Amino acid sequence: DGGITQSPKYLFRKEGQNVTLSCEQNLNHDAMYWYRQDPGQGLRLIYYSQIVNDFQKGDIAEGYSVSREKKESFPLTVTSAQKNPTAFYLCASSRASGYTDTQYFGPGTRLTVL
Amino acid sequence: KQEVTQIPAALSVPEGENLVLNCSFTDSAIYNLQWFRQDPGKGLTSLLLIQSSQREQTSGRLNASLDKSSGRSTLYIAASQPGDSATYLCAVRRGSGNTGKLIFGQGTTLQVKP
Repeated sequence: DGGITQSPKYLFRKEGQNVTLSCEQNLNHDAMYWYRQDPGQGLRLIYYSQIVNDFQKGDIAEGYSVSREKKESFPLTVTSAQKNPTAFYLCASSRASGYTDTQYFGPGTRLTVL
Repeated sequence: KQEVTQIPAALSVPEGENLVLNCSFTDSAIYNLQWFRQDPGKGLTSLLLIQSSQREQTSGRLNASLDKSSGRSTLYIAASQPGDSATYLCAVRRGSGNTGKLIFGQGTTLQVKP
C-alpha cells in the first residue's frame, strides 16, 4: 500500500531530552512537510523540504531540527530548546512543492512531555 | 499576514440534516483553498480542493464554494450521517512563492446524532 507512515504513534519525553519523530513515504513524492497541531487549533508549519538534502524553516521552527538524506524519509527532532513540545505532530508529502499539488498526511505522532 | 477562521468551532446536528461549515480568510491573494477531514487522533484526509479561478467543487454529498473577493468559503454537507462526525479544517495556499505552504483554520468539530 502506498502512503505515509509515522512512528511512534505515542511518545513520551522527559524535560531536557531530545526526541526524534519518524516520517516515511513510499509515494515517490519530492516534497515533505512537518506540522504541529495543538488542541482546538489548526496546523502550523514547522519545516518543509522540496527535495533531498534541502529544507526550509516554516512558521514555528525554533526548537526543532530536520534532515532529508533520503527521498522517502523526513525525520523531525524535537530538541530541549522547544519550550512547549507537547502536541500532535503531522507529517505530509506532495508530488512537488508547487501550489497545485495536494498534500497527503500521515496518521500523526502525539508527543507528551512529562 | 494571512489568517483563516472557521465558525462555528463545534456543531451538533441530527442525522439527515443539511449543514454548512464556514471558513473565512483575510488575504484574498490565494492560489487555492482546501477542505480536510480529521477523525479523532488521526491525520488529515483531503476532501475538496478549489482553485482560485473556480467557484465551487463537488464530491458526492459535499459541495465547497469559494468567494475570493469576500474571503469566504463554505462546505455544504447534504443529508448528514453519523459517519460524517469529525473535525473539518479548511486551509488556504499562500499567494506568494512556490512552496505549497498551507495556512489552516482551527477547524469545526461536527457531531451527527443518529
